[in-house]
Amino acid sequence: SQQGEEDPQALSIQEGENATMNCSYKTSINNLQWYRQNSGRGLVHLILIRSNEREKHSGRLRVTLDTSKKSSSLLITASRAADTASYFCATDAIGSWGKLQFGAGTQVVVTP
Amino acid sequence: DSGVTQTPKHLITATGQRVTLRCSPRSGDLSVYWYQQSLDQGLQFLIQYYNGEERAKGNILERFSAQQFPDLHSELNLSSLELGDSALYFCASSVGLAGVGTGELFFGEGSRLTVL
Repeated sequence: SQQGEEDPQALSIQEGENATMNCSYKTSINNLQWYRQNSGRGLVHLILIRSNEREKHSGRLRVTLDTSKKSSSLLITASRAADTASYFCATDAIGSWGKLQFGAGTQVVVTP
Repeated sequence: DSGVTQTPKHLITATGQRVTLRCSPRSGDLSVYWYQQSLDQGLQFLIQYYNGEERAKGNILERFSAQQFPDLHSELNLSSLELGDSALYFCASSVGLAGVGTGELFFGEGSRLTVL
């Protein structure tokens, strides 16, 4: 079973708009990571947030983590057509011994 | 380019057959992970090796086996193939176990397996 569940499943926006997607998980974690996958390609790491962190920024990306609610959000600001991809959250659960579990992903389409 | 190399990129075979997928991790990475991605199951963790030893096991079928060799490359063996084994198989590597160091995984481009 998957640890993380992303919401929404799909998101369609126009260039320049912000895209927000959420991830909920079930167990306590060491860290939570976000990855991007272009169609049929390998996943690319975007950002890692540790369990003792609440917010992290990387360029146009902003990630928040609420361990009390077991949820995280990824915000992409000023979206570009090149941001069109699937976005996955992945959790490194405590005691998982490196078993990074991925959610089902959010498919984002950014139209020019 | 992530630095992780997977071969073959595409593979078409028949039910009942056996295939071997190969992965070369990034230089210096000790951990190798195998994932299966299919439309209905999503991205499923199969197995992880660290410096030649199995460290974590996920939803890996008994028909599947893997190993990591002394030079740190890894192979995933899939036998008695069924139609449902058709999927994209990813290898990823990291410096150490997730949660230690950066925990970031570097993914290869995958091996697309089609079972007819």
